[in-house]
Amino acid sequence: DTGVSQNPRHKITKRGQNVTFRCDPISEHNRLYWYRQTLGQGPEFLTYFQNEAQLEKSRLLSDRFSAERPKGSFSTLEIQRTEQGDSAMYLCASRSDWGDYGYTFGSGTRLTVV
Amino acid sequence: KNEVEQSPQNLTAQEGEFITINCSYSVGISALHWLQQHPGGGIVSLFMLSSGKKKHGRLIATINIQEKHSSLHITASHPRDSAVYICAVTAGNTPLVFGKGTRLSVIA
Repeated sequence: DTGVSQNPRHKITKRGQNVTFRCDPISEHNRLYWYRQTLGQGPEFLTYFQNEAQLEKSRLLSDRFSAERPKGSFSTLEIQRTEQGDSAMYLCASRSDWGDYGYTFGSGTRLTVV
Repeated sequence: KNEVEQSPQNLTAQEGEFITINCSYSVGISALHWLQQHPGGGIVSLFMLSSGKKKHGRLIATINIQEKHSSLHITASHPRDSAVYICAVTAGNTPLVFGKGTRLSVIA
């Protein structure tokens, strides 16, 4: 297993366009988390999944944001009608409910809305 | 919601110095994590603590549950230790709550 993979690494989009990011977690990990990080700040929670079920969504996640994790494997995060305030690093992390409970993070997708 | 505070925000050290980064939180937790983030964004997990002390190479992490406080120490610091160090906490299966991070620069 090569760890948590996120694609793309960088995305530049025009305001108003839709974007979709993908996260492939470690295959044995049943929990998957999305976080957003802006410059100089720590990551902020967006949403998380236990297997395919989306268990919690932050109030930061407006109705322009949607996330899925079909079949409890990879996950996608879509942002519709992007705004300049959406520019940030989007981080994915996964962990298991068994074993050492440690988190593994992806390298993130850096979104720039122009 | 748990509030996580880190100090200092920025730290510059000479190579070889002993470094301490502090983290405090407001509500009881089940685990505290120390993470390292290099330019470019990737985050690496350094430690997960629920009590006591852990050591890995030149890194030592301690936690005092009663005082809601944790410290990360780096002995014999090296320029390759330059990074942002982030403290994060969780209670049970709740998502991690992160501090803002401490930016460390180690100068040769």
